[in-house]
Amino acid sequence: TQLLEQSPQFLSIQEGENLTVYCNSSSVFSSLQWYRQEPGEGPVLLVTVVTGGEVKKLKRLTFQFGDARKDSSLHITAAQTGDTGLYLCAGAQGNYGQNFVFGPGTRLSVLP
Amino acid sequence: DTEVTQTPKHLVMGMTNKKSLKCEQHMGHRAMYWYKQKAKKPPELMFVYSYEKLSINESVPSRFSPECPNSSLLNLHLHALQPEDSALYLCASSQDAVHTNTGELFFGEGSRLTVL
Repeated sequence: TQLLEQSPQFLSIQEGENLTVYCNSSSVFSSLQWYRQEPGEGPVLLVTVVTGGEVKKLKRLTFQFGDARKDSSLHITAAQTGDTGLYLCAGAQGNYGQNFVFGPGTRLSVLP
Repeated sequence: DTEVTQTPKHLVMGMTNKKSLKCEQHMGHRAMYWYKQKAKKPPELMFVYSYEKLSINESVPSRFSPECPNSSLLNLHLHALQPEDSALYLCASSQDAVHTNTGELFFGEGSRLTVL
């Protein structure tokens, strides 16, 4: 099983600050997804990255997939309290991408 | 609102009970999943169904029995569970993963299970 690591595990920042969280693996993934999960709810898909070196922007969120397709980062600009949650990266492994492996997550707390 | 619906939202059961968790999606997805998530941990894959056939079983104990009656429905039958099985059980679906390697998961809100 390919393992995904995320850092930092916990992050507490003030509203308005910028932050970056990382997702790393020693293995190559055919695609990588970022999800955000709030307490008591299921994860919600934020983005999928497929091509090495790809950069995707979603309003204040910028996602990058490493050139070798082994790592990814999520940068949030001017964080808001609504960004609070558990950020999970997940990698699709295997030819058909059916087996998704989740990283341990980064728990983000944005304080007012 | 999520397009994957899970029922019940909360379930409390004794160790001798038999219960079922249900999941439904109408997005035409052909892969459906059960995940288990303990507090402060990421989701752990339990089962994957592809085209209504079980394609992945991650060595889950037989007290958990999945069933996929049709392409829109996925059940998880529970029998003789242990207190340590208490967790959030998440159902997810994805587009036909045979022809794409970008099979994003769409999750339901989960069923919170407590085993007494």
